[in-house]
Amino acid sequence: EIVLTQSPDFQSVTPKEKVTITCRASQSIGSSLHWYQQKPDQSPKLLIKYASQSISGVPSRFSGSGSGTDFTLTINSLEAEDAATYYCHQSSSLPDTFGQGTKLEIK
Amino acid sequence: EVQLVQSGAEVKKPGESLKISCKGSEYSFTSYWIGWVRQMPGKGLEWMGIIYPGDSDTRYSPSFQGQVTISADKSISTAYLHRSSLKASDTAMYYCVRRGSSFGANFDYWGQGTLVTVSS
Repeated sequence: EIVLTQSPDFQSVTPKEKVTITCRASQSIGSSLHWYQQKPDQSPKLLIKYASQSISGVPSRFSGSGSGTDFTLTINSLEAEDAATYYCHQSSSLPDTFGQGTKLEIK
Repeated sequence: EVQLVQSGAEVKKPGESLKISCKGSEYSFTSYWIGWVRQMPGKGLEWMGIIYPGDSDTRYSPSFQGQVTISADKSISTAYLHRSSLKASDTAMYYCVRRGSSFGANFDYWGQGTLVTVSS
């Protein structure tokens, strides 16, 4: 089973700040890495697919990069509505796995 | 618009069984995998397993193999998650998700979640 480790677990940030969340895989997964946003009491929502591909309707301040074992989700110019928990997910090999999540708090 | 609509919240006693449903609409139900994801209170996401309704090919996470059964009725575009002999530790939100059939696909649509509470 592939283990995904996210960092940080928690971050408190101010609006307009740039945020970087990393996800490291225990073995190479190519680009089969996806990012989700989960706001309180909501279902998760797909943000970025295949490491760096954008999703229709997702604000352009969200971007992803990386391949192999190291991946990054970047949020440029953070907005208050971005307060949420962010998860990475690998689908390179079964069982799929998720990172433990990164909770973003807006100051 | 693609939708996954799950059955309503459940309150169960330990030892009882559970079957929750997920109905897909506005897409070809037999051409995508349907998966189940568990989220225990205050915790992260756990992948439980997936089924391909087109041929009922089913895969389970080792953590859930033998603990749950995933099935689908393609005639009514509905997938199911079944758990027998519930425990308090089964208390969680359960999400169904749609996954594409290509290699390494993501979960592009999520159901609204079904909250399961197991308590004596």
